[in-house]
Amino acid sequence: ETGVTQTPRHLVMGMTNKKSLKCEQHLGHNAMYWYKQSAKKPLELMFVYSLEERVENNSVPSRFSPECPNSSHLFLHLHTLQPEDSALYLCASSRKYSTDTQYFGPGTRLTVL
Amino acid sequence: AQTVTQSQPEMSVQEAETVTLSCTYDTSESDYYLFWYKQPPSRQMILVIRQEAYKQQNATENRFSVNFQKAAKSFSLKISDSQLGDAAMYFCAYRANSGNTGKLIFGQGTTLQVKP
Repeated sequence: ETGVTQTPRHLVMGMTNKKSLKCEQHLGHNAMYWYKQSAKKPLELMFVYSLEERVENNSVPSRFSPECPNSSHLFLHLHTLQPEDSALYLCASSRKYSTDTQYFGPGTRLTVL
Repeated sequence: AQTVTQSQPEMSVQEAETVTLSCTYDTSESDYYLFWYKQPPSRQMILVIRQEAYKQQNATENRFSVNFQKAAKSFSLKISDSQLGDAAMYFCAYRANSGNTGKLIFGQGTTLQVKP
């Protein structure tokens, strides 16, 4: 049983759809992260939450909207996406923000048609 | 700005042999962490090994070891006795240990093929 789970594993959506990605960590961590992994590019940090408060937002378009209802769950709400948003979206968590090792989930492969 | 560079897009190794993956980074910080992550076809990003910059001793985890050269800003990963299950994409990553950020900066990755 992995410590960080993500659902769905695969998602295909149209540009006008609204969908959400879910991440759950079972490690008792206090910080959670969203990363985007595009082909041929390094992983890009999108958002960071520490104790359910957003602490980093790295110039991400507003069509991506994160939500952290508690320290174990993290969502990424998607709306009006573009084809270039197709990527692998990875969630990670760490015991504390800024000082601890991050552990990753298996990712959601998103395809925007 | 900090950067991480992996100059080898692909590497291959014979099973049971040793392979070294290269990583260089650029930073003006003196206190930081370096990581190697492995991403197999399952896509799960798995932590392989971690090095704290203030520690001179190279980190080791079973068959995985690093050669950390702080002055040269080099952080290579050595995999000994390679196994088929080592085939994956390997990412080098950096995180400053000062300031108030948990941001990991990743290299572009090296795809490792293990030949039976």
